[in-house]
Amino acid sequence: GNSVTQMEGPVTLSEEAFLTINCTYTATGYPSLFWYVQYPGEGLQLLLKATKADDKGSNKGFEATYRKETTSFHLEKGSVQVSDSAVYFCALSEDYGQNFVFGPGTRLSVLP
Amino acid sequence: EAGVTQFPSHSVIEKGQTVTLRCDPISGHDNLYWYRRVMGKEIKFLLHFVKESKQDESGMPNNRFLAERTGGTYSTLKVQPAELEDSGVYFCASSQETHNSPLHFGNGTRLTVT
Repeated sequence: GNSVTQMEGPVTLSEEAFLTINCTYTATGYPSLFWYVQYPGEGLQLLLKATKADDKGSNKGFEATYRKETTSFHLEKGSVQVSDSAVYFCALSEDYGQNFVFGPGTRLSVLP
Repeated sequence: EAGVTQFPSHSVIEKGQTVTLRCDPISGHDNLYWYRRVMGKEIKFLLHFVKESKQDESGMPNNRFLAERTGGTYSTLKVQPAELEDSGVYFCASSQETHNSPLHFGNGTRLTVT
């Protein structure tokens, strides 16, 4: 079956540091890939997505590139801010419903 | 537009009691999903409604869980009787279309069974 693996964390960085959160996936078909973010006290929000190989999703300074050859979708940001502190979930979908699969989440704390 | 709302935000109950969680999807969204995150692990699919019909309930863990969506608007998820392992965060999400529409999530209900 489909699965998503991501670095467990927690990840603690200083403000303006470079961020990478690794995500790899296993899928039987050609899924769309997503990063969701959960800020404290809030629900899951779609951060970015990519629907096919070599696509780059970007939003709020975050980027992730769909790499079919390495089955990866690593999240990066060049300079993190305290307000980026949240839990980040990598996910894939070949169709919604039961085929929308999440990783375990990575908690990011950014210190001033 | 109003987002997906869930009630309550937190619930603490004793083992053996009953709890009912509610989800109000975004108006006009036919698709409604329940997911849960147990003990900080992966967010896992529970079930999917299209309007009032259960499209897929393969993720429901056992018959102590009952989901309804009467009239195709809000949905409830009842746990009866609750067990310790049911503790976690229950998320509801909705979307307009089944394919290629983003999922809009609620803030979740944190359930603690003691």
